[in-house]
Amino acid sequence: GQQLNQSPQSMFIQEGEDVSMNCTSSSIFNTWLWYKQDPGEGPVLLIALYKAGELTSNGRLTAQFGITRKDSFLNISASIPSDVGIYFCAGYNSGNTGKLIFGQGTTLQVKP
Amino acid sequence: DVKVTQSSRYLVKRTGEKVFLECVQDMDHENMFWYRQDPGLGLRLIYFSYDVKMKEKGDIPEGYSVSREKKERFSLILESASTNQTSMYLCASGPPYEQYFGPGTRLTVT
Repeated sequence: GQQLNQSPQSMFIQEGEDVSMNCTSSSIFNTWLWYKQDPGEGPVLLIALYKAGELTSNGRLTAQFGITRKDSFLNISASIPSDVGIYFCAGYNSGNTGKLIFGQGTTLQVKP
Repeated sequence: DVKVTQSSRYLVKRTGEKVFLECVQDMDHENMFWYRQDPGLGLRLIYFSYDVKMKEKGDIPEGYSVSREKKERFSLILESASTNQTSMYLCASGPPYEQYFGPGTRLTVT
């Protein structure tokens, strides 16, 4: 099925560093979502974006809906050890399948 | 806060058994979803429901069925469990464009 290209696949950073990850698609989406999944848990919705160009923050997290509607970005500032986990992007367009399309995830590890 | 609960966190079943996975949401959502998550394959949609007693096949419905008798509850049924159904099963509820996930059930079929 359709998938999003999420990069990087994994990151190993020092505590305090900023993190950037992105998702790209060949299709246009009306909604972009970013989730975080801790080991053995379900994904938790972090940020939802509904408009091209929209920039939304949730604490140290900032996400942007790309102007072309084919990409989205997530930044984490001043990373801390509890940021460790897998971050997923997901896109939605009711005109396509009507289903959420997920990226493969970015695994983030933070060294204290 | 949206709350999606799943009946078991861990489950071990034998090949050929009938398995029921239960999901309950407390936000009066119309839509509920069942996914499985496997390393390297990501999240794949098994079935979804947009109303009581309504169901739609997702991308990988083979070997599964679902039941939605009440709005808050969505059940996934493995008619005859097989080892290739060993996986993490995730329930979600909410509009298709904003889904909230439960904690997951790690199912092992031996």
